[in-house]
Amino acid sequence: KAGVTQTPRYLIKTRGQQVTLSCSPISGHRSVSWYQQTPGQGLQFLFEYFSETQRNKGNFPGRFSGRQFSNSRSEMNVSTLELGDSALYLCASSLQGRTDTQYFGPGTRLTVL
Amino acid sequence: AQSVSQHNHHVILSEAASLELGCNYSYGGTVNLFWYVQYPGQHLQLLLKYFSGDPLVKGIKGFEAEFIKSKFSFNLRKPSVQWSDTAEYFCAVKVVEGYQKVTFGTGTKLQVIP
Repeated sequence: KAGVTQTPRYLIKTRGQQVTLSCSPISGHRSVSWYQQTPGQGLQFLFEYFSETQRNKGNFPGRFSGRQFSNSRSEMNVSTLELGDSALYLCASSLQGRTDTQYFGPGTRLTVL
Repeated sequence: AQSVSQHNHHVILSEAASLELGCNYSYGGTVNLFWYVQYPGQHLQLLLKYFSGDPLVKGIKGFEAEFIKSKFSFNLRKPSVQWSDTAEYFCAVKVVEGYQKVTFGTGTKLQVIP
């Protein structure tokens, strides 16, 4: 089985711009979660989608949004980028997200200048 | 809300030394527990997990962890580390009731010196 894929792998943007990141889960997985990873902060939970519905949300401002499509692929959008948004954004998929294991993608490295 | 504490932020060991990384969580109910590893330049991989049953869990690459419910701990151990174990290690907790998010610790960077 192919693993979780994320595109693009690297992205450079300037303050004020917006960005869209994409995640394709493992085939058959219906839950997709997004995390922001920064040095010293570990992984901060952004949101989780299951069957096209947002099931959980972390403590991030409304500039961070996401969605999930009927094929379970998910996108994450950040509007009005700030320097502090520079981070590695990780996507993880699992079968149903309740008591099963998450599998992580390689991440998208976002740099905001 | 649950929280996860990893007290060691940076650990330096010589090869063949024993490893123990601490992980404590704050939730009184039923939890699933995980240790993930992130090797330099690679994505997060699952080392081991505890859902129920034997509290001593064995994972890949000779790692094991022990769930001590009374101490809210899930410490990671390896009797003899290798240079290739140099990586960042993350403990994670998921509350079983309802559809809860997974909460990660801030990570421990392990450097193994040859």
